[in-house]
Amino acid sequence: GAVVSQHPSRVICKSGTSVKIECRSLDFQATTMFWYRQFPKQSLMLMATSNEGSKATYEQGVEKDKFLINHASLTLSTLTVTSAHPEDSSFYICSARDRGTVSYGYTFGSGTRLTVV
Amino acid sequence: GQQLNQSPQSMFIQEGEDVSMNCTSSSIFNTWLWYKQDPGEGPVLLIALYKAGELTSNGRLTAQFGITRKDSFLNISASIPSDVGIYFCAGQLTNAGKSTFGDGTTLTVKP
Repeated sequence: GAVVSQHPSRVICKSGTSVKIECRSLDFQATTMFWYRQFPKQSLMLMATSNEGSKATYEQGVEKDKFLINHASLTLSTLTVTSAHPEDSSFYICSARDRGTVSYGYTFGSGTRLTVV
Repeated sequence: GQQLNQSPQSMFIQEGEDVSMNCTSSSIFNTWLWYKQDPGEGPVLLIALYKAGELTSNGRLTAQFGITRKDSFLNISASIPSDVGIYFCAGQLTNAGKSTFGDGTTLTVKP
C-alpha cells in the first residue's frame, strides 16, 4: 500500500531557530499533501494544503510566513517552522493521497514531535 | 467552518465486547472516513464511505454513511486489546479535498 515517510520523528530546538520537516511519498506521486498540527489529546487541525509546483493554501489563522511550505516535487513536501517558540511545540503530521488509486482516504506520515525549548 | 461532533469522547470496555461510536455534522459531506491513531503515530485509514446509506466492513469493523449525509457510525465487534487507540471520523466535501476531523474517541480495552 501507499507509504508516507515523515522525517524527523522527533526534534528539539532552541527558541528562535528554524526547523524543517520532510514528508515523502515513497511509492506513489502526490500532487497534493496536507499538513496538520495536533496538540495532546486533541484532534488534527489542518494547517495548509501543499500543492506541487505552486503556492500552498493556508487555513485561516495559520501564519504563512512562520510555517513555510515547499512542494518542489511530486514526492516531497517540506514544512519549515521559522523562528520557533515554545508555543509552536506540537505534533505535526502530513498526509498524501495516491492519485493512482480510487480510494479517497489519505495516507498519513508517522508525525514529527517538535519541542521548542 | 464545518464541525464534526464525535461521541463518545472515551470508552472503557471489556475484551470481547462490541463498540459503537458515531459522528454528526451540521452540514453534509460527500465522503466519510474513519481512522485509528496509536500514540505517537499518524492516523491509519480503516474504512472509507462514498455513498449515502453505504454500509462497509473491514474485518471486525463496520461503518455506515448516514442517509442524510450528515452522520456516520463505526462499530467494532468482539474487541481485542490491540483495538486500543483513538478513533477519528473525518468528512470530505470533494473527492480529493481536505478533511475535517472529529475530536476522536479514545478506546480502552480491558483484558
